Amino acid sequence: QSALTQPRSVSGSPGQSVTISCTGTSSDIGGYNYVSWYQQHPGKAPKLMISDVNKRPSGVPDRFSGSKSGNTASLTISGLQAEDEADYHCCSFAGSYTLYVFGTGTKVTVL
Amino acid sequence: EVQLVQSGVEAKKPGQSLKISCKGSRYSFTNYWIAWVRQMPGKGLEWMGIIWPGDSDTRYWPSFQGQVTISADKSIDTAYLQWSSLKASDTAVYYCLARDPRNYYFDYWGQGTLVTVSS
Repeated sequence: QSALTQPRSVSGSPGQSVTISCTGTSSDIGGYNYVSWYQQHPGKAPKLMISDVNKRPSGVPDRFSGSKSGNTASLTISGLQAEDEADYHCCSFAGSYTLYVFGTGTKVTVL
Repeated sequence: EVQLVQSGVEAKKPGQSLKISCKGSRYSFTNYWIAWVRQMPGKGLEWMGIIWPGDSDTRYWPSFQGQVTISADKSIDTAYLQWSSLKASDTAVYYCLARDPRNYYFDYWGQGTLVTVSS
């Protein structure tokens, strides 16, 4: 099972919107509505930002949103803020044999 | 809230053995899946394996099968990741994660354990 494909980096100015794509296959993203996104600041553990494609856990700002179309999931950060600069990792359930697969990770830079 | 506390930084030599730990608290340890994830320097996250502490049912991702051993001691609410013979390529941060079996995401993470293997 290969890693899900994410862009290496995306950037935007404060207040702008950025979207991170996460491309998989019909065996993972396309087959289940179980995509999650994790934010990771340098030297810190990842933090859950989105579950089940588009659900925000309590405490996550509503400028973070998730979506899915076919084999590609997306994370959008609207109204980009300085503290959003971090690495973002997608993850998908991939069935009872493979279980889970991570994306390659995307660095978000706030210009 | 669920809390996972991992053991501290480790510096080892190639060929040595190592066992790192992940202690759960503030929840029923036997009723959550515990997974281990590797993050090599400057790289992304990789699944290693997952265990159900209730009965120690364990699954390994193919890249790590036979390379590490995952275990749990439910009497002390602690999961373990161990190596019998470390390699320099095992240098990484290792995270433990907890998942409610009703969900398909991991909302609880340990703080990470840095393992450095160098001669």
